[in-house]
Amino acid sequence: AQSVTQPDIHITVSEGASLELRCNYSYGATPYLFWYVQSPGQGLQLLLKYFSGDTLVQGIKGFEAEFKRSQSSFNLRKPSVHWSDAAEYFCAVGLNSGGYQKVTFGIGTKLQVIP
Amino acid sequence: DTGVSQNPRHKITKRGQNVTFRCDPISEHNRLYWYRQTLGQGPEFLTYFQNEAQLEKSRLLSDRFSAERPKGSFSTLEIQRTEQGDSAMYLCASSAPPGNTIYFGEGSWLTVV
Repeated sequence: AQSVTQPDIHITVSEGASLELRCNYSYGATPYLFWYVQSPGQGLQLLLKYFSGDTLVQGIKGFEAEFKRSQSSFNLRKPSVHWSDAAEYFCAVGLNSGGYQKVTFGIGTKLQVIP
Repeated sequence: DTGVSQNPRHKITKRGQNVTFRCDPISEHNRLYWYRQTLGQGPEFLTYFQNEAQLEKSRLLSDRFSAERPKGSFSTLEIQRTEQGDSAMYLCASSAPPGNTIYFGEGSWLTVV
């Protein structure tokens, strides 16, 4: 079964600083990988996804993520954080099986942005 | 707005009462999912529909939970005889081939008192 590890429960960065959120997955084959963002009390918004091809994927809101097969990682990055990026970020791995995505989520990383 | 729609957004109920949540997926999406999220956790899969057929249910979905998608469009999730442990956010999502990227609704918060 697939699993996702987000080792950082909580991260604080200064506005304008760069950001990297870590994600490691466990899965026997090349997975489908996702990053979602969740504001307090809200649903999840898809930031970006990786299915195949270029290992550096661009998403919305200036985020990008890099798939590294050798490290089983899919870290999320942003060069300059804005105060509005404060939210919880979830990494997820999907198995496309039986015609649907069986997605397993990590525990999430809560991002705090300070002035 | 053509996103996934859920209602009610918030529900407070007394223990032992029944509650029902509704989900309207993105119109062209024939795959529909229910997830549950508790505080400090990521979403956990509950069940999946392809059109009107419920094809998979998690062991998290006890006998008190029932989900339907009668015409392959909207779906309902009913919880009978609610317990305090049912307090959570219930998320609906939908997808369509190819790729089946999952898009989530805003969620329905349940508080059982």
